[in-house]
Amino acid sequence: RKEVEQDPGPFNVPEGATVAFNCTYSNSASQSFFWYRQDCRKEPKLLMSVYSSGNEDGRFTAQLNRASQYISLLIRDSKLSDSATYLCVMQRGSNYKLTFGKGTLLTVNP
Amino acid sequence: DTAVSQTPKYLVTQMGNDKSIKCEQNLGHDTMYWYKQDSKKFLKIMFSYNNKELIINETVPNRFSPKSPDKAHLNLHINSLELGDSAVYFCASSQDFVDSYEQYFGPGTRLTVT
Repeated sequence: RKEVEQDPGPFNVPEGATVAFNCTYSNSASQSFFWYRQDCRKEPKLLMSVYSSGNEDGRFTAQLNRASQYISLLIRDSKLSDSATYLCVMQRGSNYKLTFGKGTLLTVNP
Repeated sequence: DTAVSQTPKYLVTQMGNDKSIKCEQNLGHDTMYWYKQDSKKFLKIMFSYNNKELIINETVPNRFSPKSPDKAHLNLHINSLELGDSAVYFCASSQDFVDSYEQYFGPGTRLTVT
């Protein structure tokens, strides 16, 4: 089983839709989680960290469920500019290594 | 100013050749990384250096050798290139390897081995 698994999609949604991505992880010692965004043929960039209590940044909400070992990302009121690949990322304790999921491709259509 | 830069952006070469990719960051970060993103878009860490010291060395063929002349530079040298080395190679940096959750990536080097 891969350390980080994501639904690869693709997700095709109309503008204004709400879309949610899930990601599961296999190592219960994982402590830190993040969502990165990668545009086509570009480098990954940090979108947001994921905290145990859940956190929100504008239209984006991230949740962490340690008991079930999954994290989620909710995007409300999708914009065309949200079209990208969303990467689920984890970091274990003092191990600074980031482990990336394969990403979920989102296309927001006009 | 570009925070993390890589050269070249594109590299097309034949099997068996030796090539290098250079990376520089002007963020003053202590830690730098090399990642490989294959054709299936899977991003995997290869190496990491903290203050010029190798701290991560994943299972990578020894044809790949990183070199860090100073903490602002991390170069990747690849010997005897193979078809399977074709991928996008990303350099990244972070402020502190203990709290490295935000890594800043370079634009990538698209390597094609023919």
